[in-house]
Amino acid sequence: NAGVTQTPKFQVLKTGQSMTLQCAQDMNHNSMYWYRQDPGMGLRLIYYSASEGTTDKGEVPNGYNVSRLNKREFSLRLESAAPSQTSVYFCASSNRVRGYGYTFGSGTRLTVV
Amino acid sequence: TQLLEQSPQFLSIQEGENLTVYCNSSSVFSSLQWYRQEPGEGPVLLVTVVTGGEVKKLKRLTFQFGDARKDSSLHITAAQPGDTGLYLCAGANDKIIFGKGTRLHILP
Repeated sequence: NAGVTQTPKFQVLKTGQSMTLQCAQDMNHNSMYWYRQDPGMGLRLIYYSASEGTTDKGEVPNGYNVSRLNKREFSLRLESAAPSQTSVYFCASSNRVRGYGYTFGSGTRLTVV
Repeated sequence: TQLLEQSPQFLSIQEGENLTVYCNSSSVFSSLQWYRQEPGEGPVLLVTVVTGGEVKKLKRLTFQFGDARKDSSLHITAAQPGDTGLYLCAGANDKIIFGKGTRLHILP
């Protein structure tokens, strides 16, 4: 099925370890996003890419880096994981930066111990 | 700062009842979206409303965008257990901001 694919689905890291969350979409969307979802906090934007070759910070970018590898792929990297980064991470894509709905992946549940 | 307030935060009702959940802001949005999220999954887009006063229907779900484009409501008729989930609204201008959601539980 067409959509947004995220890997891995689950991950446990030790404090200080690094990892990259992968995201790929096959809908030819221009814009891609990384969100984190925490109880009581809702969805918060980490980084986004309005188009291939551009990336911008969202609401909570500290501790993260991103790479828009090509039009399909947008990865999120944690260089030195901290317990505060325990969360569920969602990648999303859309045809435009504003005004139109997102297609979300099924999420990565990350625990940092 | 643009904020979207959703109410109620939690709602548990019996199958067959009707319900309305709300999404309110002091800001004007160019469009507003509703999503449903089930446990372990990402949010799924239900509808986008763009015109003040617009009403859209999706089977037993009715979505309304306020005349001033600052608020929206979602009404579910004859709720079913399959309607259980987290309902998120999202307002769009230059950015999209999400409310924290209404967690709906339909009891069989």
